[in-house]
Amino acid sequence: KAGVTQTPRYLIKTRGQQVTLSCSPISGHRSVSWYQQTPGQGLQFLFEYFSETQRNKGNFPGRFSGRQFSNSRSEMNVSTLELGDSALYLCASSPATGGGTEAFFGQGTRLTVV
Amino acid sequence: QQQVKQSPQSLIVQKGGISIINCAYENTAFDYFPWYQQFPGKGPALLIAIRPDVSEKKEGRFTISFNKSAKQFSLHIMDSQPGDSATYFCAASSPRGSTLGRLYFGRGTQLTVWP
Repeated sequence: KAGVTQTPRYLIKTRGQQVTLSCSPISGHRSVSWYQQTPGQGLQFLFEYFSETQRNKGNFPGRFSGRQFSNSRSEMNVSTLELGDSALYLCASSPATGGGTEAFFGQGTRLTVV
Repeated sequence: QQQVKQSPQSLIVQKGGISIINCAYENTAFDYFPWYQQFPGKGPALLIAIRPDVSEKKEGRFTISFNKSAKQFSLHIMDSQPGDSATYFCAASSPRGSTLGRLYFGRGTQLTVWP
């Protein structure tokens, strides 16, 4: 069974630009969550999507948005990039939504904002 | 506010020794406690998880001990190997049935196992 696939693996963007990251969950999994990982803040929850609906949102500005498609694939968008957005963005796939559900991570997309 | 506190920040263990990482949580509603292992350049990999209805869970060399009254849980790695050198994260999740399906992570422990 294929794991969670995130593309691209690496991105370099300039301040003020926008970026779109993609995540394909494990086959049959319908929930996708996004996390930001930085050395200073650790792993921070961004949002969760299930059945094309955002179910939960972390404490991030509105520049961070996402969506989920009918095939469960998800995209995350960051607009007006800031230097502080440089991070590893991780996607987690779960078979169901809600608490207590196993989550499996992809390898992440390393975003560098210059 | 850090919902899950993890210690130590770094740990150095001799090959064959026992590695112990501790976590404490605040919210008594947390109902699922996974541990993740992360190698450089990789995403976190689910290692082992426990629910609060048991006090211990063992999978191979990895054991979770859970103390519900103290709101603490720990990961023990027996017979630690150089290949175990990685960053370990504890986490906690909202209860089953909750619509808030997110994980709260500890800050991580960088484990180095010397040969």
